[in-house]
Amino acid sequence: DAGITQSPRHKVTETGTPVTLRCHQTENHRYMYWYRQDPGHGLRLIHYSYGVKDTDKGEVSDGYSVSRSKTEDFLLTLESATSSQTSVYFCAISGQAEETQYFGPGTRLLVL
Amino acid sequence: KNQVEQSPQSLIILEGKNCTLQCNYTVSPFSNLRWYKQDTGRGPVSLTIMTFSENTKSNGRYTATLDADTKQSSLHITASQLSDSASYICVVSALGGSYIPTFGRGTSLIVHP
Repeated sequence: DAGITQSPRHKVTETGTPVTLRCHQTENHRYMYWYRQDPGHGLRLIHYSYGVKDTDKGEVSDGYSVSRSKTEDFLLTLESATSSQTSVYFCAISGQAEETQYFGPGTRLLVL
Repeated sequence: KNQVEQSPQSLIILEGKNCTLQCNYTVSPFSNLRWYKQDTGRGPVSLTIMTFSENTKSNGRYTATLDADTKQSSLHITASQLSDSASYICVVSALGGSYIPTFGRGTSLIVHP
């Protein structure tokens, strides 16, 4: 398995609280991605990064922010969690945009 | 807008039978197409990758085909096993280093004993 971990793996939080999910890689890959996966929607891109401090929005970026201060870490923050953000969040990495993406194990987030 | 459409949305087959999953795309200019397998509760894992010049590629009991002219791909699973029960996701990349791949919604396959 590619060296990619996510933390926490499970989280329950309340509406209005801030939440930060962490993705850590040991592969030195340039690209890192955050997806959410919901029934009937498949994987949807939230944000991605193409280098340290270089990030861009995906198709469902509203309510989320990201940061990448080191090559190995990509953080996803929900500034004020809402119930609609209950989902499974996957981090992925790739060397270049058109190369194979390697996915982390996922984080299950429940917002009450 | 780049799009990837997969069919069927879900499929149930008996163990030992064959099946074929379809993927149509509008991504342009085309770079490559991947099929991923996602087991329940886990992240997707790449099965095959196909570039413009490739028509067929096999990975064990999985065979992917690509018709770049009609912008269609299929994933054929031979002699299905219970472990093939998963979601299969088609992902298409465009030429140009900065284009992020487009994901299909996936086909959910259930193999019954």
